[in-house]
Amino acid sequence: KQEVTQIPAALSVPEGENLVLNCSFTDSAIYNLQWFRQDPGKGLTSLLLIQSSQREQTSGRLNASLDKSSGRSTLYIAASQPGDSATYLCAVCDYKLSFGAGTTVTVRA
Amino acid sequence: EAQVTQNPRYLITVTGKKLTVTCSQNMNHEYMSWYRQDPGLGLRQIYYSMNVEVTDKGDVPEGYKVSRKEKRNFPLILESPSPNQTSLYFCASSLVGVDGNEQFFGPGTRLTVL
Repeated sequence: KQEVTQIPAALSVPEGENLVLNCSFTDSAIYNLQWFRQDPGKGLTSLLLIQSSQREQTSGRLNASLDKSSGRSTLYIAASQPGDSATYLCAVCDYKLSFGAGTTVTVRA
Repeated sequence: EAQVTQNPRYLITVTGKKLTVTCSQNMNHEYMSWYRQDPGLGLRQIYYSMNVEVTDKGDVPEGYKVSRKEKRNFPLILESPSPNQTSLYFCASSLVGVDGNEQFFGPGTRLTVL
């Protein structure tokens, strides 16, 4: 059974600092990995989708890397802003989607 | 606008009173699924559907039913809700299955069963 872990559970940084969010998974036989953002009481917004054949994906200030062999993905958010405050979830897809518990980020103005 | 919609967004009900949460997508996606999100447990899949008339159990199907009579709709049915089904529910869809395809989520339905 796929286990997905996100560390840290919570993170507080001053505005402008770069964010590094980690996701690890136990079974490397995956199709893809997806990062989501969830605002309080809201739905999930897809940020980045990395296929198993890819090493990284970039979108604006966001960059996600994937190392299947070590079972890790990292989401980098450059020059953080207060609007980046949210919970970030990673989801690993093998035959189904398995979610981590998330990292709650607070960016202080 | 491409989206997944859910109704209602908030619902308070009592034990045993049947309810249905609707989910609809306008992206012509074949794959649809339901999740529940609970503190400390994360998101867990309840049911999924690969296409019309094709549904299957996820990780936590007990107490739930689904149907897929049309491609765009995937309602979640609680025949006899119980307090342990109090949760935040999400519907999701993707083009074809989960492998290699981006998942799109609805805004969520917060259900309270008294």
